[in-house]
Amino acid sequence: GNSVTQMEGPVTLSEEAFLTINCTYTATGYPSLFWYVQYPGEGLQLLLKATKADDKGSNKGFEATYRKETTSFHLEKGSVQVSDSAVYFCALRPLKGQGAQKLVFGQGTRLTINP
Amino acid sequence: DSGVTQTPKHLITATGQRVTLRCSPRSGDLSVYWYQQSLDQGLQFLIQYYNGEERAKGNILERFSAQQFPDLHSELNLSSLELGDSALYFCASSAEAGRGLSSYNSPLHFGNGTRLTVT
Repeated sequence: GNSVTQMEGPVTLSEEAFLTINCTYTATGYPSLFWYVQYPGEGLQLLLKATKADDKGSNKGFEATYRKETTSFHLEKGSVQVSDSAVYFCALRPLKGQGAQKLVFGQGTRLTINP
Repeated sequence: DSGVTQTPKHLITATGQRVTLRCSPRSGDLSVYWYQQSLDQGLQFLIQYYNGEERAKGNILERFSAQQFPDLHSELNLSSLELGDSALYFCASSAEAGRGLSSYNSPLHFGNGTRLTVT
């Protein structure tokens, strides 16, 4: 079946540190891949996406590259800020088949940035 | 602001009761999705509607039901509530045009959720 595995949190970093949150997936074919962010008390917001192999999604200084060979979509940011503290979800959307209508989420990674 | 509106924000009720959660999708979006977020289960897909018709079903209990109305708003009905139903319930919408390839790249836009507490 389709699944997403994220690195376990919580992750705590200092401001201006480099961030990597690992995400690997299992899917039939080539799904679309997404990163969503959830700030406290809010719903999930789309952070970035990639729809085919070697695509790089980027937004607000965050980047993730669709790696077909390693079935990965790791999230990176060169210099994090306190305002980046949130829960980050990796997700996939299958290309076709019975599961094609829904996003499959990883378990989420809580990120805390200290000043 | 995602443009997806969910009401109420908070709901506290007792076991055995029935509640209705409401969602208004973004203007122009035809698809509505319901997700449950709990501490132990993470984000679980419940059900999807497209233009008033059920499109996909996930881990939705028989005690739960949903519908999408002609004006495209959706309601999630939870009955015979149990303590374990306490969770955040999110609605999302997307601008899917249909079953075409392009629709699978459409991101979902989430509301801020309804926090349900069953006591």
